[in-house]
Amino acid sequence: EAQVTQNPRYLITVTGKKLTVTCSQNMNHEYMSWYRQDPGLGLRQIYYSMNVEVTDKGDVPEGYKVSRKEKRNFPLILESPSPNQTSLYFCASTSFVARRYSPLHFGNGTRLTVT
Amino acid sequence: GENVEQHPSTLSVQEGDSAVIKCTYSDSASNYFPWYKQELGKGPQLIIDIRSNVGEKKDQRIAVTLNKTAKHFSLHITETQPEDSAVYFCAATRGGVIFGPGTSLSVIP
Repeated sequence: EAQVTQNPRYLITVTGKKLTVTCSQNMNHEYMSWYRQDPGLGLRQIYYSMNVEVTDKGDVPEGYKVSRKEKRNFPLILESPSPNQTSLYFCASTSFVARRYSPLHFGNGTRLTVT
Repeated sequence: GENVEQHPSTLSVQEGDSAVIKCTYSDSASNYFPWYKQELGKGPQLIIDIRSNVGEKKDQRIAVTLNKTAKHFSLHITETQPEDSAVYFCAATRGGVIFGPGTSLSVIP
């Protein structure tokens, strides 16, 4: 089954404790992206990647890191989480061939709480 | 960078009526405009999309129109049903995929 898998689904942590949210897709997609969703603000892009070893900042990259060492994986790293990073996070992927986008496939989300 | 505005933020309609959600974008180079539906506790899912070389697209009760000159596009849902109740997001694509802030649609039985 084609899917985007992110883990964990729920995470409660304390300020300053490094954490990683994993994302994996089995569709051989070139493009992967991370979004955070906050009430009234919709989905805001954190980072995206057009292919292996190619990453770019989105609208709200501060406090986050990503890496794309393999095509299927795109982990989101919070080196020193702060309470303002409490949010619902989504990973998504899509095909990007000949500069033509296809629809995004989303994971089921990770609810992060930083105390 | 690209900026996408979406209106209204909330919308209530009677079952069977039509619903219209409108979006505007800023980057004239954007060339792909999908619409997503998000149900409670789930990730967004594509319901319809349109590319910049097309003016209108329809899929059963759902249609999307695109006006490239004015840089706006709209989602039309006809004969609404309670299961259409959800949050709807428009998006514009060039480089990254930028979403509008969302519209919470409630269909009242």
